[in-house]
Amino acid sequence: ETGVTQTPRHLVMGMTNKKSLKCEQHLGHNAMYWYKQSAKKPLELMFVYSLEERVENNSVPSRFSPECPNSSHLFLHLHTLQPEDSALYLCASSQAPTPIEAQYFGPGTRLLVL
Amino acid sequence: DAKTTQPTSMDCAEGRAANLPCNHSTISGNEYVYWYRQIHSQGPQYIIHGLKNNETNEMASLIITEDRKSSTLILPHATLRDTAVYYCIVRPHSGNTPLVFGKGTRLSVIA
Repeated sequence: ETGVTQTPRHLVMGMTNKKSLKCEQHLGHNAMYWYKQSAKKPLELMFVYSLEERVENNSVPSRFSPECPNSSHLFLHLHTLQPEDSALYLCASSQAPTPIEAQYFGPGTRLLVL
Repeated sequence: DAKTTQPTSMDCAEGRAANLPCNHSTISGNEYVYWYRQIHSQGPQYIIHGLKNNETNEMASLIITEDRKSSTLILPHATLRDTAVYYCIVRPHSGNTPLVFGKGTRLSVIA
């Protein structure tokens, strides 16, 4: 138990659906992250939030829309996804968005786009 | 960006020490060495990090060579639950550098 929870753990959606992934951290951290892990590929950073402000967006397609209403919650809104977006989506948090801070990951949401 | 080199896989007998090596010959003075692991179907888990001194916590020990060009993660008494992919990562202590996971070492702990 890392103190970072994600829901749902598994999600199957069609290409026309709209869904949201939720992440919550109970560690009192100020930075939160979304990562994508595809099969046989390294972890890819998608978004970084610091104190509810987005500080990094790694050229992620607009069909992925993050939202950070407060420092404990992070959402990833999904719409009109493609089958190649099927992956494990991981949320992480750290005390601050600086490299020296360790990141604590949630269990991930395994997404399948049909 | 292959800043670290790790063996693809290793085996370790249960109860024995697991020593996972990592080469980072191009590490610069302001870069830390981090270790994470990922157990199958779970998110990555932070293990330990260090700059130049050896570090120890409840999970593992990190031994960094004096020239800082390589390091070894030591799990003192490996259990079956330690079977995972272990990632060695170097990052500067400032700036906005993302956490970049390479291919890591797949450690199999055998009963």
